[in-house]
Amino acid sequence: AQKITQTQPGMFVQEKEAVTLDCTYDTSDQSYGLFWYKQPSSGEMIFLIYQGSYDEQNATEGRYSLNFQKARKSANLVISASQLGDSAMYFCAMRETYNNAGNMLTFGGGTRLMVKP
Amino acid sequence: DTGVSQNPRHKITKRGQNVTFRCDPISEHNRLYWYRQTLGQGPEFLTYFQNEAQLEKSRLLSDRFSAERPKGSFSTLEIQRTEQGDSAMYLCASSLMGTLGNTIYFGEGSWLTVV
Repeated sequence: AQKITQTQPGMFVQEKEAVTLDCTYDTSDQSYGLFWYKQPSSGEMIFLIYQGSYDEQNATEGRYSLNFQKARKSANLVISASQLGDSAMYFCAMRETYNNAGNMLTFGGGTRLMVKP
Repeated sequence: DTGVSQNPRHKITKRGQNVTFRCDPISEHNRLYWYRQTLGQGPEFLTYFQNEAQLEKSRLLSDRFSAERPKGSFSTLEIQRTEQGDSAMYLCASSLMGTLGNTIYFGEGSWLTVV
């Protein structure tokens, strides 16, 4: 089974509107972390936001927020007030604790977001 | 405060040649990772170092691949006898143990094309 699933290969959003990018995960760990990264065409993976499995509040970073629903094992990224510069690939990733002393990340397949002017 | 730096950014090589990529992590980050990303996919873990010790290698890392981090600072990833299937972007990343979420920060990647 896929550990990280991003079901939306591509998404369009109108500039200045909000958009939600879906991410579901699969783990039997109790302690884990969830991350979102942005990858523009230049290739760099830019860290956006982090949510720990024990965090009771949803993480927020500026225009980014993470809608964390632990029971449903989902960690959707919400981008408010979309800007043209938000057009990029977005990856959801998970860091499990069990047998992962090195803190490695497992990534989903990504969602391409395109912001329309 | 510089980020993770990788070079070269792009490399085109003929099949059978050796290539080497260099990564300079964020200063004082004690963990360094290599990932590989093929077109349309998310990055896949290859190997990681804690200081100068290589502590884990993925099964994706065939014996043609070797990574080093001799002084616990920069790292090199060498691919010997390159094959067309090695064409991908090689991403380096670093992190500092004990920080929030042990967040991993990535570089801009090194694109490899094997012809």
